[in-house]
Formats: sequence, structure tokens, C-alpha cells
Amino acid sequence: EVQLQQSGAELGKPGTSVKLSCKVSGYNIRNTYMHWVNQRPGKGLEWIGRIDPANGNTIYAEKFKSKATLTADTSSNTAYMQLSQLKSDDTAIYFCAMSVATDFDYWGQGVMVTVSS
Amino acid sequence: DIQMTQSPSSMSASLGDRVTITCRASQDIGNYLSWFQQKPGKSPRRMIYGATNLAAGVPSRFSGSRSGSDYSLTISSLESEDMAIYYCLQSIQYPYTFGAGTKLELK
Repeated sequence: EVQLQQSGAELGKPGTSVKLSCKVSGYNIRNTYMHWVNQRPGKGLEWIGRIDPANGNTIYAEKFKSKATLTADTSSNTAYMQLSQLKSDDTAIYFCAMSVATDFDYWGQGVMVTVSS
Repeated sequence: DIQMTQSPSSMSASLGDRVTITCRASQDIGNYLSWFQQKPGKSPRRMIYGATNLAAGVPSRFSGSRSGSDYSLTISSLESEDMAIYYCLQSIQYPYTFGAGTKLELK
């Protein structure tokens, strides 16, 4: 069974960084793309970017190019997203999602990031 | 970027009703269109992929269709468990883009 397990909720101060993880079991992440999506409180879904764990190739939505950094560790089958220079506007739930047969077959449970001083 | 215009933004319907939600793509996306269901506090669940293909485990009352640049999700006979927010997603071109969502409520 394929499962994506995300790290726990984060509380970050403005100007700092947080690093979120998404550990995959039941499937080798070398054979897939890992996507990250956010959802601000009461709002819709927004695609942040994706990484090809096999070669580290990344693509970002323009607005997240200086905000998010996607990485992956194939030895631990885990994807990461670092969010830098946190602002209150970064407060959101962040999901990882995996494309196996087709896009977004599997999703993590989401992690709440709260930015507050 | 490709814009996905989703309508309606919300709707209320009765159990047993036929419900249709639509997304219009600003550019040709072929059949690279998925539909997701999201319930409060939960991750999105993919319902339809490739515009018309039912994802594994999704009830057969859900279906997807395409007419030109308009993509539709139809629930043939609404059940209480279908109350949720539904999103479309285009995945032909980066950045991928979601529709704004349709909140489906019980009348």
C-alpha cells in the first residue's frame, strides 16, 4: 500500500524558515514526481511545484520560486520542502502529492504551517 | 499560465439530484484534467483523471466529460457523502493550475 506521511505541524516566526518532510512507503520515489500544494485558511488549492527525485530537477510556480525549495532523498524515500523568509501569508496547510500512474494519485495528510511572532 | 474557470462556486442540491460542475480552460489542455473531492480537514481525493476516467474506488455515480474547452464532473444521483468541495486541475502545462472550487451542500 502506498502511503505518504508528512511531518508534524510547524510554528514559525516571521523571517525564519521551516522544512517539511513527506516520507513515502510502498513505492520508490525515483519512479515518480513529487508535487507540493498549499491551501490557505478557507481558500482553494494552489500548486507550488514539483521535483523529480531521480535527478533533483525542479519546477516551481513563479510566485514560489523564491519561497520554496524542493529536495528529495532517495535513500530514505523522502521529499522535502523548505519555506524561507516566512510571512503571515505563508500560513497554510501544505500537502505533498505523488504522481504514479497519473498525476496526483496519492496525497499526504497535509501539515499546518502557522507563521506568528 | 492556464486559467481554469470553475462554476458554480457553490450550489445546494437534494439527495438523489443530478449535479454537474464545470471547468473551462483558457487554453487547450487536451484531456489533462482531473477532478478532486475535498472534505473538511481531509486531503483532496482524486475522483476523475484524464477528463473522463474514474479513479480506483470512486463510485460509478461520478463521471467526467469534455465538450471543447469545457470539462464537467457529474454526480448522477447525489448522496449525503458527496457533500464536499470539488476542484479541477489542469496538468498539461506548468504551472499546474486548479479551479477555484465548488462547494456542494445539501438543500
